[in-house]
Amino acid sequence: TQLLEQSPQFLSIQEGENLTVYCNSSSVFSSLQWYRQEPGEGPVLLVTVVTGGEVKKLKRLTFQFGDARKDSSLHITAAQPGDTGLYLCAGPAGGTSYGKLTFGQGTILTVHP
Amino acid sequence: DVKVTQSSRYLVKRTGEKVFLECVQDMDHENMFWYRQDPGLGLRLIYFSYDVKMKEKGDIPEGYSVSREKKERFSLILESASTNQTSMYLCASSPETRGGTEQYFGPGTRLTVT
Repeated sequence: TQLLEQSPQFLSIQEGENLTVYCNSSSVFSSLQWYRQEPGEGPVLLVTVVTGGEVKKLKRLTFQFGDARKDSSLHITAAQPGDTGLYLCAGPAGGTSYGKLTFGQGTILTVHP
Repeated sequence: DVKVTQSSRYLVKRTGEKVFLECVQDMDHENMFWYRQDPGLGLRLIYFSYDVKMKEKGDIPEGYSVSREKKERFSLILESASTNQTSMYLCASSPETRGGTEQYFGPGTRLTVT
């Protein structure tokens, strides 16, 4: 079973601060995804990283896929209260098709005004 | 616009009741999934379906069953609800593909079993 470990589990910061969330595994993934879940809603895909070493930017969010494709990070610059939510990384569940994903346990981010 | 809907946002049931959670997607996706979400545990896969009438167990299928009679609808059944099944239940769908692909989620059903 391929496991994804996220850290930290909780993050509470002030508006304007920078932060990084990590997603690590001992297994190689062909791709990794990042989702954000707001209270009362289901997760929504933010980005998929596919190539080792790849960096993708989505406004103030920067996503990186490790060179060995075993880890990924999400960096937020100048966090805003609207960034508050649960951030989940996910990768294809090993040895299967049908679009199965395995998820990390999530990072709860709270940005205070 | 892509849409996955779940029959209830909140549900309160008594121990021993049979509970049905319904999920409908309008994207003609082949794959559908049921997860439960508990604090600190992320999303855990209960069952998934890759075609009408086809289903496979996920990581935590005990105490649950599923039904997929039509492509757009995937139901989760708790045969005899227990308090340890109090949780947030999320339904998702994705198109047929090999490897990981985006999953589209419904808003979730928060089930409380008393």
